[in-house]
Amino acid sequence: DSGVTQTPKHLITATGQRVTLRCSPRSGDLSVYWYQQSLDQGLQFLIQYYNGEERAKGNILERFSAQQFPDLHSELNLSSLELGDSALYFCASSGTSGGVSTDTQYFGPGTRLTVL
Amino acid sequence: GDSVTQMEGPVTLSEEAFLTINCTYTATGYPSLFWYVQYPGEGLQLLLKATKADDKGSNKGFEATYRKETTSFHLEKGSVQVSDSAVYFCALSAGNNRKLIWGLGTSLAVNP
Repeated sequence: DSGVTQTPKHLITATGQRVTLRCSPRSGDLSVYWYQQSLDQGLQFLIQYYNGEERAKGNILERFSAQQFPDLHSELNLSSLELGDSALYFCASSGTSGGVSTDTQYFGPGTRLTVL
Repeated sequence: GDSVTQMEGPVTLSEEAFLTINCTYTATGYPSLFWYVQYPGEGLQLLLKATKADDKGSNKGFEATYRKETTSFHLEKGSVQVSDSAVYFCALSAGNNRKLIWGLGTSLAVNP
């Protein structure tokens, strides 16, 4: 058990809909990362938050957004869903040293999103 | 930009065989290197890591050495078990934000 939790485990929805994925980092970790794992593109970094602020953006679509709350949990919002958004979405967290994230990330079990 | 290339699978071995999964990287600066493992139906688990040149990461009989001169981080295990069947991902972490850049994964199947 990594200490990172994600809900829900599975999500099935229709095209055009909006969903919210939730992540709770390990106790004390300030950094949260979101990744997408799909069959055609592999694992891709989406976005990082550090103590409530966005720190880095990767291949995240404009239809997707995220935030990190004062209690450090994070939510990834996916809207106007398309078939191609079906994937496994992972959240990871890491600790801090000297004001920057440490390099080891611990992953949650993932949320499997199926768009029909 | 930074990238990771790992050998394509699937790799099929018999129990107690020697395993090597090749991984090479391209990066500016001095990245940290990782191997993660994904068992069927599960999430990503950190298997081992190395943070500087010539470091050797090891865990559960797996080893990998950070080779700066060949920009490689090959994963090895001397004697695989059926329970090692999984997908193995090589990744690098660079920059202040430490985002992970991933290889495509190598599927390993170990037969009894």
